[in-house]
Amino acid sequence: GQQLNQSPQSMFIQEGEDVSMNCTSSSIFNTWLWYKQDPGEGPVLLIALYKAGELTSNGRLTAQFGITRKDSFLNISASIPSDVGIYFCAGRRSNDYKLSFGAGTTVTVRA
Amino acid sequence: NAGVTQTPKFQVLKTGQSMTLQCAQDMNHNSMYWYRQDPGMGLRLIYYSASEGTTDKGEVPNGYNVSRLNKREFSLRLESAAPSQTSVYFCASTPNRRQGSEAFFGQGTRLTVV
Repeated sequence: GQQLNQSPQSMFIQEGEDVSMNCTSSSIFNTWLWYKQDPGEGPVLLIALYKAGELTSNGRLTAQFGITRKDSFLNISASIPSDVGIYFCAGRRSNDYKLSFGAGTTVTVRA
Repeated sequence: NAGVTQTPKFQVLKTGQSMTLQCAQDMNHNSMYWYRQDPGMGLRLIYYSASEGTTDKGEVPNGYNVSRLNKREFSLRLESAAPSQTSVYFCASTPNRRQGSEAFFGQGTRLTVV
C-alpha cells in the first residue's frame, strides 16, 4: 500500500492543550481511519470516516475527511496523560480493500 | 472475546534460523493481514489473505511466506531469518472486503534477529 504523509512526526504537549495532526496523500481515498497505539500494544481504531467533508467525534477526539479526499486531520482537545502514544492515519482507495498507513505521530504529554 | 491473538509475543532468532508466527482471530472475519512496523515507517503490509484459501503479496513480501490454514488462522513464516527482519509484526483481520471493514489488530510479535 502507498504510504501516507503524516505530520508532525512527534509532538510534546502540555496537559490541557488542544493538538492537531494531519495526513495527506497524492491519491484519492474513500475511507480515512485514525488509530492509536499504546506502548507494547497493537493499534486500536479511534475514528472512521467514509465521506468527503465528514466530521466525526469520539469523546475529545475529532477527525475530518478532507473535501479533496486526499487528506484528513485529527484533533485532540484538552490533552490528558493517557493521550500518550502513537497515532496513525490510514486510508483505503475505492478499488482496494487494503489499508495504507502513515508513519505515525508520537505524542508525549507533559503533566 | 479475545479478538486477534498472536504468538509468540517476543522472539530472538539467530541469522539463518526459521520460525513461524501464529495468528488467530475469533471474530469470524474473512480477511487477514500481516504487517511489520519499523521506527518512522508506519505499518507496511507483508502478505494478506482476502478469504480462506487465498493469499497475496503486499508491499514487502520478500523473505516471508504465509499460510491461511483455515478461516481463523493465518501464519507468517521466516524461512531463513536475516537481521533486516528485526521488527514488530502485527496480524490484523477485517470482516470483509467492502468499505467499512475496519482492521482489528493483535498485540504484536517483537522479533529480533541477531
